[in-house]
Amino acid sequence: GQQLNQSPQSMFIQEGEDVSMNCTSSSIFNTWLWYKQDPGEGPVLLIALYKAGELTSNGRLTAQFGITRKDSFLNISASIPSDVGIYFCAGQSAAGNKLTFGGGTRVLVKP
Amino acid sequence: GAVVSQHPSWVICKSGTSVKIECRSLDFQATTMFWYRQFPKQSLMLMATSNEGSKATYEQGVEKDKFLINHASLTLSTLTVTSAHPEDSSFYICSAHGTSGGLGTDTQYFGPGTRLTVL
Repeated sequence: GQQLNQSPQSMFIQEGEDVSMNCTSSSIFNTWLWYKQDPGEGPVLLIALYKAGELTSNGRLTAQFGITRKDSFLNISASIPSDVGIYFCAGQSAAGNKLTFGGGTRVLVKP
Repeated sequence: GAVVSQHPSWVICKSGTSVKIECRSLDFQATTMFWYRQFPKQSLMLMATSNEGSKATYEQGVEKDKFLINHASLTLSTLTVTSAHPEDSSFYICSAHGTSGGLGTDTQYFGPGTRLTVL
């Protein structure tokens, strides 16, 4: 099935650093969503974006819905060890509420 | 709010047997539920969309006779993997579409997943 292009695929963080990831698509979406998945668990919704240009924060997380409606980014400020996990973007079309997922960004701690 | 449960959380079965996985929305009603499968280090792939009281809609390449979906109520959907084989081993995740008062968000909320291992 179709996937969104999510980058980077993986990244190492050091506590206190800011983290950025983004998703792009060839299709327009009405809603962009960002989820975090810990090992062996289901994705947990972090932020939902409904309007082009919208900038939304949830604690140390900030996400934006691109003006073209074909992209979104997620920033994590002042990272902490529990930020480790896999982050997925997802685009939601109006029809049927189906989600299209990005490939995921694996956030790891620098050794 | 917006809690979705799955049962069982993991299951091991012999090749050729059938396995049923339940997905429940605990604190909201979900007219639509979705079933995904996820292989290690990969993203979620949608298998089917389940609407209460009607037949499920399957994604291209997903065998409807192998993955039986029943959405009998607004809070329960089941996925039955029939005649399971080792290649069906995967992490199966359901989601329910609803509104959470906590986040004020009308979107999909995911269950914790079920790890299926077929020997």
